[in-house]
Amino acid sequence: EDQVTQSPEALRLQEGESSSLNCSYTVSGLRGLFWYRQDPGKGPEFLFTLYSAGEEKEKERLKATLTKKESFLHITAPKPEDSATYLCAVQAAGNMLTFGGGTRLMVKP
Amino acid sequence: EAGVAQSPRYKIIEKRQSVAFWCNPISGHATLYWYQQILGQGPKLLIQFQNNGVVDDSQLPKDRFSAERLKGVDSTLKIQPAKLEDSAVYLCASSSYGGRAEAFFGQGTRLTVV
Repeated sequence: EDQVTQSPEALRLQEGESSSLNCSYTVSGLRGLFWYRQDPGKGPEFLFTLYSAGEEKEKERLKATLTKKESFLHITAPKPEDSATYLCAVQAAGNMLTFGGGTRLMVKP
Repeated sequence: EAGVAQSPRYKIIEKRQSVAFWCNPISGHATLYWYQQILGQGPKLLIQFQNNGVVDDSQLPKDRFSAERLKGVDSTLKIQPAKLEDSAVYLCASSSYGGRAEAFFGQGTRLTVV
């Protein structure tokens, strides 16, 4: 059974204080690992897809990396508008998408 | 490009009543997902369609939940009868078939069962 575990569950940062979110996974035949951002009252918004170990993707203050067992979402010099829940999901054979519990990020000015 | 459309946005019902949710995926997307998201948790897959066929419904409580996707486009998810623990946000997502395609989500329907 595919499993995805995200840590920490919640993270409070000061504006400009860089940090990383972790996503560890167990899956048979990883086809892709996805990061999403979810704001309150909205559906998840796609951020990145990573396909193989060693791959990295960047978007503004966010950088996602992938190893064979986990993925990290690095947030550099965050701003209050980066406050949201960040979700990690793995895609296995058959396009099944399994999500982790998410990390709730709060960035204080 | 239009996104995934869901309706209604909010629904309040009493326990034992029935309710239905509607989803219109992005045009051309063959894969459609229904997820249940309880407050403070990650989305949990209920059912996945490939065109109008079911790929996975192993976590769908089939004694009370049902879903269909007619003609491989729109989909409806029904709960009958509803229980208090069904209170959650129901998210619909779609992706293109084949390869490693990301899924795009609708705004969700927030269901409250009282």
